[in-house]
Formats: sequence, structure tokens, C-alpha cells
Amino acid sequence: SQTIHQWPATLVQPVGSPLSLECTVEGTSNPNLYWYRQAAGRGLQLLFYSVGIGQISSEVPQNLSASRPQDRQFILSSKKLLLSDSGFYLCAWRAQGAGTEAFFGQGTRLTVV
Amino acid sequence: AQSVTQLGSHVSVSEGALVLLRCNYSSSVPPYLFWYVQYPNQGLQLLLKYTSAATLVKGINGFEAEFKKSETSFHLTKPSAHMSDAAEYFCAVSPPLSSASKIIFGSGTRLSIRP
Repeated sequence: SQTIHQWPATLVQPVGSPLSLECTVEGTSNPNLYWYRQAAGRGLQLLFYSVGIGQISSEVPQNLSASRPQDRQFILSSKKLLLSDSGFYLCAWRAQGAGTEAFFGQGTRLTVV
Repeated sequence: AQSVTQLGSHVSVSEGALVLLRCNYSSSVPPYLFWYVQYPNQGLQLLLKYTSAATLVKGINGFEAEFKKSETSFHLTKPSAHMSDAAEYFCAVSPPLSSASKIIFGSGTRLSIRP
């Protein structure tokens, strides 16, 4: 069966520090991969998605970047965190093809102080 | 562009009462539609999905949703609320194309259950 791992679960980082969140998927190949951010009291904002290795689509201009160095690995990064980067970050995968549902990781609670 | 609108950021019902969470989509052609549930500090879990096979879709935990093209709606219902249903619920849309990759989520509805 397929599983998705996302870590760390919680993270407290000072303003101006770098960020690296990692997400890996097991049990499937060539998945679509996604990073969402959920701010307090708000819905899910799609940040990045990837349909293959090295292919990244950015949805919202921001202080973040994403990379997909391997088929089932998706990394969210920042060189210098801002206070506004605080939130709950969710990684998700879905199989290629129309109508497939997304499966989510457990999320990372990032607090920038 | 595809989008979904969830009416009501917070819904409160009594235990045993009907649950109705509203979702309207915007799309030129019928899209794929999903309902997810999120418990505090966790990821999202799929409740059900519409992929054009049947307009009434049954999901987990006694939830169901009906696709109404004429109303561009996909409302989520449950006949009798349980305390364990208290959570955040998200409606989501995906284009009806195999090459399409995005899933766009609504702003969510927080469901509270009164004893």
C-alpha cells in the first residue's frame, strides 16, 4: 500500500533562518506531488505541484521554493523565513490521471518567531 | 479557472440532527469533486468523491453528497450527527482532464456538534 511521510511534525524557526521540509511517498511511482499551506482559520492554499522529476509549478509568488530531486521526494525550502511563512504545511500525492484523489501527509506546523 | 465556494465557515448542529455542508463549484464542464475531513493538527482524509459515475455518492462515516449540475452544487450531508463528526470539512475540485494536475480546495467549514 502507499504511504506518505512528512517531517518534521512541528518546527519553530527564527526570522531569517533557512527552511527545508521533506516529503516522501512509498508504494507508488510517478505520482503528482503537492505542497499546500494552511494559515490559521483559512483554507488550503496550493503552493507548488510537480508532475515529474525536476518539474515544478509555482502557484503563488512567495518566499518559498520547491524541488523534486527524486521521483517520490518533494522538498519545500526557503533561504530566509518571514513571519508570514508561519502556518501548517501539507504535502500530498495523487496518481496520474483524471479523477484521482489526493492523499495527505500529517503536516508540519511551522512557527516563525 | 476552476474554483469551489463553501458557504458558511462554521456550522453548529445538535447531536442526532441533520448535517448539511454546502459546496458550489465553478466550471465550464462538470469537474471531479471531492470532500475531505481534517481533524485538529492532522492531514486531510478523503470522505467521498464524484467522478460522473453516479450523482449520489456515498462515503465513509455515513456521509453522502449529491452532484447537481443545474445548481453547480455538491453539498455534503449526514442524516444524524455524531460527536465524533466535529472537524473541518473541505470541498475540492479537479478538472475533468487526464492531463490536469491541480486539486483546488475551498476555504473549509468547521463543524461543531452540540450535545
